[in-house]
Amino acid sequence: AQSVTQLDSQVPVFEEAPVELRCNYSSSVSVYLFWYVQYPNQGLQLLLKYLSGSTLVESINGFEAEFNKSQTSFHLRKPSVHISDTAEYFCAVSSGGSYIPTFGRGTSLIVHP
Amino acid sequence: DADVTQTPRNRITKTGKRIMLECSQTKGHDRMYWYRQDPGLGLRLIYYSFDVKDINKGEISDGYSVSRQAQAKFSLSLESAIPNQTALYFCATSAQGSSQYFGPGTRLTVT
Repeated sequence: AQSVTQLDSQVPVFEEAPVELRCNYSSSVSVYLFWYVQYPNQGLQLLLKYLSGSTLVESINGFEAEFNKSQTSFHLRKPSVHISDTAEYFCAVSSGGSYIPTFGRGTSLIVHP
Repeated sequence: DADVTQTPRNRITKTGKRIMLECSQTKGHDRMYWYRQDPGLGLRLIYYSFDVKDINKGEISDGYSVSRQAQAKFSLSLESAIPNQTALYFCATSAQGSSQYFGPGTRLTVT
């Protein structure tokens, strides 16, 4: 069975500060990992994904995440956040066989001016 | 046009009523999913379908049923709605092993 733990339900941060949203997973087989973002009153959108290859993956808007197999983690980072990054962020894992994704409970990123 | 559409976007219904939520996609994906989102609980899978003839229960299927009318259409029904089914419902599609595309959601309130 696979599971995802997002360690922080809410992360407040000031604009232009760095941020890290933590995600740990458990799975006994190889995994695909995803971060999705949900802006207020919208559906989820893919932010970035790890399928294979380089363990560091980047999004077009400055976020990055690193797959760490030994730590079973896929933490999301951004060196300098903007007000517009305020949103709910979900980590998801899918693995062997059917590849049905399992989602974490989400982390609310709140960027203050 | 949106890749994944859901109707209705908002619905208020009464306990005991039957309600259907509809989802259509233009991505050409075989896989479709229904999730519910509750504050602090993230997304929980209700049902999923790998193709028109394949329907599978997710972790919280009790009280729900689905129909895959075509590759592009996947509807969710609540046969007899109850207040704890008040939630935000999302439809999603994907190719195997790939990321999901989500609809805009349906906000359902059961009074």
